[in-house]
Amino acid sequence: EVQLVESGGGLVQPGGSLRLSCAASGITFSTSWMAWVRQAPGKGLEWVANINPDETTEYYVDSVKGRFTISRDNAKNSLFLQMSSLRVEDTAMYYCARDPEYAAIDIWGQGTMVTVSS
Amino acid sequence: DVVMTQSPLSLPVTLGQPASISCRSSQSLVNSDGNTYLSWFQQRPGQSPRRLIYRVSNRDSGVPDRFSGSGSGTDFTLKISRVEAEDVGVYYCMQGTHWPPTFGQGTKVEIK
Repeated sequence: EVQLVESGGGLVQPGGSLRLSCAASGITFSTSWMAWVRQAPGKGLEWVANINPDETTEYYVDSVKGRFTISRDNAKNSLFLQMSSLRVEDTAMYYCARDPEYAAIDIWGQGTMVTVSS
Repeated sequence: DVVMTQSPLSLPVTLGQPASISCRSSQSLVNSDGNTYLSWFQQRPGQSPRRLIYRVSNRDSGVPDRFSGSGSGTDFTLKISRVEAEDVGVYYCMQGTHWPPTFGQGTKVEIK
């Protein structure tokens, strides 16, 4: 069964850090572009970052550049998002996703909720 | 960034009747490779998004054929030929031609 399972979300204070993980199964993870997409409560979808199969290329949306780092471990079929200097506006459900071509995401995880609040 | 504008934002529909959602981009979505990277996603209440259509008009496996996508350049449409109860949710268009990928605001489809 094709599955992406996120973990690591939670409540964090402004300025804090959090590391999200995504475990992939049922896909050829090592040859897949992967991405993180977020959705603030009651709002629309926002692309966060993506990474190519061999970790040589990463892209970030401007609002997280310099604060978030996407990475992967192909041996463990895992995707990560290291988030630092978190802001209240980073509060959102974070989805792990497979990006088969030009952001046309074909597989989504169930999401992990990140709440930034004092 | 490319702005994706959907209309309407709310769409009450009678069961069995057709529905249409428009999506317009602030720039042409034709890529240098000749392809147009415009996708449609459905998000049912309490669920993750699900891709319905990619490259404007290609329906994903398992997506009912009552869903169809069309358009070109900057003007795109998602049509549901006969709305069923399971189609309730929010629909998003998204472009991947230009960085960063951007989504429309979403159109909420509900049953009258």
